[in-house]
Amino acid sequence: DQQVKQNSPSLSVQEGRISILNCDYTNSMFDYFLWYKKYPAEGPTFLISISSIKDKNEDGRFTVFLNKSAKHLSLHIVPSQPGDSAVYFCAASSSGSARQLTFGSGTQLTVLP
Amino acid sequence: DSGVTQTPKHLITATGQRVTLRCSPRSGDLSVYWYQQSLDQGLQFLIQYYNGEERAKGNILERFSAQQFPDLHSELNLSSLELGDSALYFCASSVATWANEQFFGPGTRLTVL
Repeated sequence: DQQVKQNSPSLSVQEGRISILNCDYTNSMFDYFLWYKKYPAEGPTFLISISSIKDKNEDGRFTVFLNKSAKHLSLHIVPSQPGDSAVYFCAASSSGSARQLTFGSGTQLTVLP
Repeated sequence: DSGVTQTPKHLITATGQRVTLRCSPRSGDLSVYWYQQSLDQGLQFLIQYYNGEERAKGNILERFSAQQFPDLHSELNLSSLELGDSALYFCASSVATWANEQFFGPGTRLTVL
C-alpha cells in the first residue's frame, strides 16, 4: 500500500522553463511534507518543506504547493537549470510516528540546455 | 555536505555473513534514522533512535538490529545476509524526534553475493 505516490517516473524540461513535479498521498494523518533531491551515489538532500497548516511555501526558485482536500502536493522550480537534473523524492511524516518519513518512488527530472 | 557521515561507502560480502554499518549524525542532532533503498522497494524507513533509545520501528527484518551509543553515533547490524539485502542503506539525523527535517548521509552500498 503506497501511501505516497509519484506517478511520473520522469520529466524533461527545457532550461529556463518551469518544472512541475507532482505527489499524491493517501494517509490523512500526514501533517508535514518534504521534497528531497538526489544525485547518483549521494544521499537525498533536503530541498523544501511545508506544514499541513499552509498551502504554499517558497524558497528562491523552489515553491511547494499543498492541496489538502485533494491530498496533493507539487514542487515548482522556476527557472529550471541544468544543475537541477536529479531524482526528486516527495516525503511525508506525521507527529504520531516519530516523524519517520514515508517516501514516494521519485521522479527523474532532466533539464535540457 | 549534510554533516552526516556513514562508513563504509561500499561493502561486498557473501550470503550468510554479518556486517555493521556506521553512522555519525550532524553535530547537535540527537535523533538518528535508518532507511533502506532497494530497486523494487524505494526508500523505506527501518528504525529510529533518539538519544540512545529506540523510538520507532518500520519495515526492519528480525535479522537486522541497530543501536545508538552515548556519543550518539549509530550502528546498523545486518546478519544472516541474503541476496535480497543488497541495497543502499542511508542514515539520517534530526535535532529531535519532533523535528520535521531530516538530513541524510551519503549512504552505504551493500552488495551480497
